[in-house]
Amino acid sequence: EAEVAQSPRYKITEKSQAVAFWCDPISGHATLYWYRQILGQGPELLVQFQDESVVDDSQLPKDRFSAERLKGVDSTLKIQPAELGDSAMYLCASSLELGETQYFGPGTRLLVL
Amino acid sequence: QQPVQSPQAVILREGEDAVINCSSSKALYSVHWYRQKHGEAPVFLMILLKGGEQKGHEKISASFNEKKQQSSLYLTASQLSYSGTYFCGTGGSTLGRLYFGRGTQLTVWP
Repeated sequence: EAEVAQSPRYKITEKSQAVAFWCDPISGHATLYWYRQILGQGPELLVQFQDESVVDDSQLPKDRFSAERLKGVDSTLKIQPAELGDSAMYLCASSLELGETQYFGPGTRLLVL
Repeated sequence: QQPVQSPQAVILREGEDAVINCSSSKALYSVHWYRQKHGEAPVFLMILLKGGEQKGHEKISASFNEKKQQSSLYLTASQLSYSGTYFCGTGGSTLGRLYFGRGTQLTVWP
């Protein structure tokens, strides 16, 4: 069964450092999503891609976060510089098209010290 | 636009039933239900679309009341494997983003 792949699974960094997360969606899925999930809360959308184009990045803190999906397949989410409040689970999801069922990857758990 | 889920937590014995509710202040096009176990990714359960019928999956089913902007998830004859946090994600259009509730923590005891 096809799955969304993410790496790394865990990341510990110090504040002010740069971190990057990678996501490989299910093959053939045109839509890719990055979510942040704080402990005890539901996922919150950071950015949404349709192929290589950004559809919604209204909740992405653009002063420190960036995301790209250059060839419309895999994607990278970067934080620079990391802050203590960025500690969370970062989830990637993909769907065949916009508005369809989203399938989540295992996530990257980030701890900023 | 975050939906409100209730209850926040449920504790059950194996074989008992539970209902989890999801309510939005905005008009809804779709409701997506997920279950997440501790430290793992959310797993898709079902999607309900505006104008669609009630969905069912084994002993887990859901309804969608468009007029009340509410959805309910029904778990019957619960099993130990049902334990986890249940999230509803609501969408306002065919292309729109999903807003997730804070989750309902379900614990099933033997």
